[in-house]
Amino acid sequence: SQTIHQWPATLVQPVGSPLSLECTVEGTSNPNLYWYRQAAGRGLQLLFYSVGIGQISSEVPQNLSASRPQDRQFILSSKKLLLSDSGFYLCAWSPLGGGKMNTEAFFGQGTRLTVV
Amino acid sequence: SQQGEEDPQALSIQEGENATMNCSYKTSINNLQWYRQNSGRGLVHLILIRSNEREKHSGRLRVTLDTSKKSSSLLITASRAADTASYFCATDARGSTLGRLYFGRGTQLTVWP
Repeated sequence: SQTIHQWPATLVQPVGSPLSLECTVEGTSNPNLYWYRQAAGRGLQLLFYSVGIGQISSEVPQNLSASRPQDRQFILSSKKLLLSDSGFYLCAWSPLGGGKMNTEAFFGQGTRLTVV
Repeated sequence: SQQGEEDPQALSIQEGENATMNCSYKTSINNLQWYRQNSGRGLVHLILIRSNEREKHSGRLRVTLDTSKKSSSLLITASRAADTASYFCATDARGSTLGRLYFGRGTQLTVWP
């Protein structure tokens, strides 16, 4: 069966420090991968999505970047964190390789990032 | 924006009662999905309804979709305290094979024992 791992679960970082959040998926190949951010009491905002290795699309301009060095690995990074980067970050995957539609997304357990 | 908007923002009911949450969206969709989120956790997929479907059931869940009104509703029957969570609707843009989902802000459901 497929599983998704996201770590760390919580992170407290000072302003100006770098960030690296990692997400890996097991049990499937060529998944679509996504990074979402959820501000307190808000819905999810799509940050990045990837349809293949090295293929990253950004939904909103921001202080963050994403990379996909391997088929089932998705990394969210920042060179210098801002206070406004605080939030709950969620990685997700969907089995949309090959142009499928109408499938659900599977989410990791999230990373609570607090920038101080 | 495709973003769905749930209504109400918060709902508080007693165990055994039914809970109804609504979602409105703005543009054409492939499908609409409902997710559940326990506090501080990831989202769990509940049900997906395609744009050519009008109603779908899964256990105690009933989802309707009205594409002419661009709205959907999620009904949880005979609610339990364990149903307490945030519920989100998400839309998948028509024609897209990218699986980008646009989420609303959610409805916080509290079920009292």
